[in-house]
Amino acid sequence: EAQVTQNPRYLITVTGKKLTVTCSQNMNHEYMSWYRQDPGLGLRQIYYSMNVEVTDKGDVPEGYKVSRKEKRNFPLILESPSPNQTSLYFCASSLTGQKLAKNIQYFGAGTRLSVL
Amino acid sequence: GENVEQHPSTLSVQEGDSAVIKCTYSDSASNYFPWYKQELGKRPQLIIDIRSNVGEKKDQRIAVTLNKTAKHFSLHITETQPEDSAVYFCAASIQRRNTGFQKLVFGTGTRLLVSP
Repeated sequence: EAQVTQNPRYLITVTGKKLTVTCSQNMNHEYMSWYRQDPGLGLRQIYYSMNVEVTDKGDVPEGYKVSRKEKRNFPLILESPSPNQTSLYFCASSLTGQKLAKNIQYFGAGTRLSVL
Repeated sequence: GENVEQHPSTLSVQEGDSAVIKCTYSDSASNYFPWYKQELGKRPQLIIDIRSNVGEKKDQRIAVTLNKTAKHFSLHITETQPEDSAVYFCAASIQRRNTGFQKLVFGTGTRLLVSP
């Protein structure tokens, strides 16, 4: 079954404690992306990756890091989480980022993060 | 800048009525406009999309219209049912000038409530 898998689904942590949210897709997609969803703000892109070892900032990258060492995995790293990073996070992937009109974007189930 | 405005933020209708959600975009080069439905606690899922070479697309009770000149696109749901209750997001593709890759910019969402 084609899917985008995120872990964990729920996470409560404290300020400053490094954490990683994993994302994996089994569709051999080149393009992967991280979004955060906040009430009244919709989905905002944090980072994206066009392919292995190719990543770039989205609209709200501050406080986040990513890596793309393998095609299927795109972890999101919070080196020193702060309360303003409390949010619902979605990973997404599509075959390529070159022609979105021909490549549907699939979303993971989401990770709800609370930073105390 | 790149943004997508979505209205209304909430919409309440009676079962059987029609619902219309409107979005405007700023980048005249946008050529792909998907709509996502997000049920409570679930991931966003693509329900319909339209490409810039088409003015209207219909799929059973849902339709999307696009006015490229005015940079408007709308989602129309006819004969609404309680199971249509969800948050709906519009999005527009934006071409990244430095890489040529595309990204999706999302609207802020519309919470649709269909009352029996």
